[in-house]
Parts: sequence; structure tokens; C-alpha cells
Amino acid sequence: DAKTTQPNSMESNEEEPVHLPCNHSTISGTDYIHWYRQLPSQGPEYVIHGLTSNVNNRMASLAIAEDRKSSTLILHRATLRDAAVYYCILRDTNAGNMLTFGGGTRLMVKP
Amino acid sequence: EPEVTQTPSHQVTQMGQEVILRCVPISNHLYFYWYRQILGQKVEFLVSFYNNEISEKSEIFDDQFSVERPDGSNFTLKIRSTKLEDSAMYFCASSVRSGVTEAFFGQGTRLTVV
Repeated sequence: DAKTTQPNSMESNEEEPVHLPCNHSTISGTDYIHWYRQLPSQGPEYVIHGLTSNVNNRMASLAIAEDRKSSTLILHRATLRDAAVYYCILRDTNAGNMLTFGGGTRLMVKP
Repeated sequence: EPEVTQTPSHQVTQMGQEVILRCVPISNHLYFYWYRQILGQKVEFLVSFYNNEISEKSEIFDDQFSVERPDGSNFTLKIRSTKLEDSAMYFCASSVRSGVTEAFFGQGTRLTVV
């Protein structure tokens, strides 16, 4: 899988929006952009994924740059429960099924 | 909501002993995975399993490891002779199909080798 780059940590205030960036300048045309998160002492949890267009679901929104070299996960109103490590992962449709986790971004939410 | 369940939640074993970690994937899923996370480190892929055989494995998944789907519901990871460095959280995951699809993870088994 192509490499992604994320900030090590970010802070947010509760009930404010959070924008988590991810750079993936070597993304290929068949790479989907996935986001997972890992709450403390839990297994990873799927958040959202997209290919080219922006995506919304009940958990978050994914904004994908026009050249696809970067993306942003948007949490519209952060809650204390959103404190977690957020992973941006590229998955090639033609490659295997494994997920390659990087270091992710540790999001801290202040009350 | 369907979920992946793992047992036990915590296992302590002596070095050199065999351990079996158990997982019950989501019932209509066809693809199964094991990952591990050493304390303070990244989540690492171990193996994927489909149609009763291994479809991919990482360098970590050496001859000490094996996986099995002994019946229609369980998916197990066996470590034959545990080493201290096998101490980690082990996560089972499953997905309904291959390719770009959501993987559902269990809560993990914490394995401590002493």
C-alpha cells in the first residue's frame, strides 16, 4: 500500500469541529482512502472510506483533494468519546485484503 | 449490531507453551484476519483467511503460528511455542468480501508471555 503521512497528535475542544489531515502524495488511481480509529484499549473501528468524491456518513465526513494527494477527515462536533488514534490507510482494489496501519494521529478532546 | 467476539480477553502463559486465541467472526462474513499490536506500537497484519485457506500472510506469521476454522463459527490463532516477544494484543477481524470493504475488529485478546 502507498504511504500516508499524518500529524502525530492533535487537540480539539469538545463540541467543536475537528479536521484531521492526511497526505498521500504517491496515491495511485486504484487506491481507496480509508479511515479507521482506535479508542483506548479497543480494537480498530472503521470510520469512512472514499475514492474521489467527498463522502459523508453518520460518524464523519471525508474531504478528498481534487488531485487526491491529500484528504481530511472531519468530525463535525467532537465529543470526549472521539478521543482516539485515527488512521488514514490507502487500500488498492487490486491488492490483498490486509490493512497497513501507520502511526496515526492521536486526537485529544478537551472538555 | 453484529460484532466480532474474542476469547479470552486476557491470557497469561509461560514461555514455550502453546496458546490458542479464539474468535467468532460476524456470521455472514467470508474473510477473516488476525492482527497484533505490541504495547505502544503499530497495529500489524498477521494473516488473512478465506475459503479454508490462508490468502495472505506477513513475515511475522512464521511456522510458530497457524490458523484454523474448526467449525462454521470459530476462527482460531495458535502459537505453538510462545516467546516473550509474542506478548501483545491480538485482534481478530472479519469482512463480508474481499477488496475495498469495511473490516470489523474484535476487542482483542491481551497475551502476556512470562
